[in-house]
This record gives sequence, C-alpha cells and structure tokens, in this order.
Amino acid sequence: DSGVTQTPKHLITATGQRVTLRCSPRSGDLSVYWYQQSLDQGLQFLIQYYNGEERAKGNILERFSAQQFPDLHSELNLSSLELGDSALYFCASSVPPGTEAFFGQGTRLTVV
Amino acid sequence: AQSVTQPDIHITVSEGASLELRCNYSYGATPYLFWYVQSPGQGLQLLLKYFSGDTLVQGIKGFEAEFKRSQSSFNLRKPSVHWSDAAEYFCAVGHNNAGNMLTFGGGTRLMVKP
Repeated sequence: DSGVTQTPKHLITATGQRVTLRCSPRSGDLSVYWYQQSLDQGLQFLIQYYNGEERAKGNILERFSAQQFPDLHSELNLSSLELGDSALYFCASSVPPGTEAFFGQGTRLTVV
Repeated sequence: AQSVTQPDIHITVSEGASLELRCNYSYGATPYLFWYVQSPGQGLQLLLKYFSGDTLVQGIKGFEAEFKRSQSSFNLRKPSVHWSDAAEYFCAVGHNNAGNMLTFGGGTRLMVKP
C-alpha cells in the first residue's frame, strides 16, 4: 500500500459527460501529480500541484482540469468525454524536490 | 526534449534465469532515474531509484540497476527471476527542475516460464 488513495477505482460513463477523479496523497506529501496510461500513448504526465498551486503542466487537454485543495487532496475533472479518453488515470504524491513519487492504484475510466 | 526508451516490448525468461531490462534516456542534465513495476490491475510500485552517488543501486525484491552516464543507460537486473516477477516494468526519468514530474518509457512486459 503506497498510502495514496484514489477513488473511484472504476468509472463507466457516456461520451459528452463530465467526471471527477479524486486523490488523497500520502500524509505529509505536498505535491500531487496526475498521469494518464493508455494503450496508444503509454504513461503520460498530465499536471502537478504543489501545496495548492499548479507547478507543472504536461500533455493535458483543455477539456481536463485539476485542483488541489487546502487539505492537499486533489481532483481531476474530465469534461466533454470522448471514447479516446478511456484510460487508467494515476495520481502520485511526493515531498519535492529530489524524492520519489508514490502512486495510487489508479482509476480506470471507460467512456462508452 | 527528454525521452526514455525501453527497446524490448516483451521479454520471456525461465524461472531461475537472470534478467536484464534495458533503458536508455535522453536528458540534458544529471537525471533522476527510476524503475517502477506494474502488476496486472495494480498501480506502479517503485523498485529503485538513482539520484546521485554510487552508480549501482539496489532495490526491492532483489533488483538492482546500474547508471552508465557514457551510455545514457539505466538497465535493471536480477540474478534469478521468480514467477511472481511477471509484470510490466517501466523506466522513468525525473525532471528535478520541474518538481519531479516523470517521463516514462514505453514499458517492458516480462513473462516468466516455469
């Protein structure tokens, strides 16, 4: 158990809908990262928050957004969903800089 | 731009045999390097990491990796593979100037023959 908790574990939704994925980082970790794992794109970094502020942005679509709350949990919002958004979404947390990231079990999103 | 290449998409080894998974990276500065393992339906578990110092690093489950700057490589090794090692392995480079975001390789799926 990495100490990073993601909910829900599985999500099935229709195209055009909006979903929210939730992540609780390890106790004491200030940084939260979101990654997407898909068959065609592999594991890709989406976005990082540090203590409530956006720190780095990767290949995140404009339809996607994230935030980190004062209690340090984070949410990833995916809107206007398309079939191609079906993927495993991972959250990770760390105490930066120069330390490893610990990953949650992921949320498997299926868009039908 | 930074990148990580894992040349072997699939590898099959016999139980008890030695294992080496290859990883090459492209990064402008001194990299932070990681190996993660993903079992089916599971998240990513850190096997080992290299930040600085001794270029041979030991990890969990009997794995080790060697950082070779001249070859831009960080290959993962295990002297004797167990059936439970069957999983997908990912090499990653961390961007220490950008708060540790990771760039991952495409992964190597390891199958273990009895």
